[in-house]
Amino acid sequence: QVTLRESGPALVKPTQTLTLTCTFSGFSLSPSGVCVAWIRQPPGKALEWLALIDWAGDRSYNTSLKTRLTISKDTSKNQVVLTMTNMDPADTATYYCARLPRCDYSGVFDSWGQGTLVTVSS
Amino acid sequence: DIQITQSPSSLSASVGDRVTITCQTNQHITNFLNWYQQKPGKAPKLLIYDASNLETGVPSRFSGSGFGTDFTLTISGLQPDDFATYYCQHYENLVLYTFGQGTKVEIK
Repeated sequence: QVTLRESGPALVKPTQTLTLTCTFSGFSLSPSGVCVAWIRQPPGKALEWLALIDWAGDRSYNTSLKTRLTISKDTSKNQVVLTMTNMDPADTATYYCARLPRCDYSGVFDSWGQGTLVTVSS
Repeated sequence: DIQITQSPSSLSASVGDRVTITCQTNQHITNFLNWYQQKPGKAPKLLIYDASNLETGVPSRFSGSGFGTDFTLTISGLQPDDFATYYCQHYENLVLYTFGQGTKVEIK
């Protein structure tokens, strides 16, 4: 059974750096074709893809947020970490991690975490 | 960048109705488009992949069609469990993933 779970602070102050961890089970990030991504959703608004890391450690970022994002993985711990710098109240959102089982030829997010709400406020 | 226009933003429908949601892109994307359902407080759930393929376990009343720039999600015979928000999503493998603005399906 594939599961993903996001963890991190519920509240951050403006200008701080956010660090979120996605811990997953039921699959590994080492086989070719597997990716994990981060997606966020401000309250009442649409989904927005943030970043992706593939089985080889290669990374892709949303171009509008690229300068603020870093995604990394620890394959031995089954974890993917997202950092976002210079947080702003506009970054208040539920942050999801999701799996792409064949990201080399398909853009399907087939399994998602439950999401974690991050509020940016002083 | 590829832009997605999803419409309508919301609609009211009754149980048993046929519902159609559309996504239009400003560039040809072949069939690189997926559809998700999201209920309040929950993560999205995959319904349709690559424009017209029904994900395993998804009821057959859901269907997708389209190619190029115009895509449609159809629910044939709306059920109480279908009241939710629906998103289309385009992808360029390992490069870019873009969601539509969402369509909220409400009870009339």
